[in-house]
Amino acid sequence: DTAVSQTPKYLVTQMGNDKSIKCEQNLGHDTMYWYKQDSKKFLKIMFSYNNKELIINETVPNRFSPKSPDKAHLNLHINSLELGDSAVYFCASSQDMGVGTEAFFGQGTRLTVV
Amino acid sequence: GEDVEQSLFLSVREGDSSVINCTYTDSSSTYLYWYKQEPGAGLQLLTYIFSNMDMKQDQRLTVLLNKKDKHLSLRIADTQTGDSAIYFCAEMSTGRRALTFGSGTRLQVQP
Repeated sequence: DTAVSQTPKYLVTQMGNDKSIKCEQNLGHDTMYWYKQDSKKFLKIMFSYNNKELIINETVPNRFSPKSPDKAHLNLHINSLELGDSAVYFCASSQDMGVGTEAFFGQGTRLTVV
Repeated sequence: GEDVEQSLFLSVREGDSSVINCTYTDSSSTYLYWYKQEPGAGLQLLTYIFSNMDMKQDQRLTVLLNKKDKHLSLRIADTQTGDSAIYFCAEMSTGRRALTFGSGTRLQVQP
């Protein structure tokens, strides 16, 4: 069983479109995250949720809207896609927000905006 | 703000030891982590160290932490071709409940 699963794995879309990436974890964790990895492999936190509550919201355009219907799911919706949104988006989860807690990552969603 | 830096590339021969270095700026960093990313895959946690420790060993992996210099290293003994990947250093501080990653070091192991 995959602990943290994201769909789709690959997403190619045109500028201006709206798209969603889904993430589910079956670990019973309370906290979930979205990270963005750019073409130079830099990884940065975008959002985190704890028990469906938004905790971290980094300087991310309003076009990005996370939604957590329950603590096992954290979806990412992106409006009006731009070329610069092309990246690999990683979902992760951890038991809680404790500092030493281990984060488990999904396989990533490679988004290409053309 | 937080900043984590790593060298971008390291090449070693199979059987040699690899040492990947990392520096960080946040003095409130509490936990420091090493993650491995293989091509097309997600990140896998290799090991982590609490800031009150100097060293942690786990099989072929040795982590050294110099808190005074804010320097972290990962030593891989007897490096194998399967160790070829990108290795990310990351830190988490008490005031920030998310990982701050370095730029990653691409380790290439030559047979």
